[in-house]
Amino acid sequence: KQEVTQIPAALSVPEGENLVLNCSFTDSAIYNLQWFRQDPGKGLTSLLLIQSSQREQTSGRLNASLDKSSGRSTLYIAASQPGDSATYLCAVSKNNDMRFGAGTRLTVKP
Amino acid sequence: DAGVIQSPRHEVTEMGQEVTLRCKPISGHNSLFWYRQTMMRGLELLIYFNNNVPIDDSGMPEDRFSAKMPNASFSTLKIQPSEPRDSAVYFCASSRQVNTEAFFGQGTRLTVV
Repeated sequence: KQEVTQIPAALSVPEGENLVLNCSFTDSAIYNLQWFRQDPGKGLTSLLLIQSSQREQTSGRLNASLDKSSGRSTLYIAASQPGDSATYLCAVSKNNDMRFGAGTRLTVKP
Repeated sequence: DAGVIQSPRHEVTEMGQEVTLRCKPISGHNSLFWYRQTMMRGLELLIYFNNNVPIDDSGMPEDRFSAKMPNASFSTLKIQPSEPRDSAVYFCASSRQVNTEAFFGQGTRLTVV
């Protein structure tokens, strides 16, 4: 069974810092990995999708990398802003069996 | 497109009652997922459908849970009878095809008292 782990569980940084969130998974036979953002009391918003054949994806200040063979992904956030405060979740998928990590709760202080 | 639409947004019911949660996926999406989110267990995949057919329901916790997808634009998750431990936020998500980007609804917060 696929196990997804996210480290750290919580992170607090001052505004303007660059930061990295980590995601690891036990079964490298995945089709894609997706990063989501969840605000308190809200649904999940898709940030980036990386196909298994890709190494990274970028969207604005966000950059996600994937090392499938080692079972790792990172989400890099550049020049963090208070509006980035949320919980970030990674999910790995194989044939629509999509499994989530527990998330990293990010707080960006003004 | 309005995105994935779930109803109701909040549901409070008494133990033993039947609860039905509803989901309208994004038009043109062929895959639909039901998840449950709790503080203790995080996001758990309950069941997913491809082209209206249930593919894997191994995540459904008990026989009290059932899900249907009678057509491409509608799905239900039913709990009968409900119990307090079913209290959670239930999310529906859809994707265009297998292994493509998934989009989530706003969730239904269920409280069973």
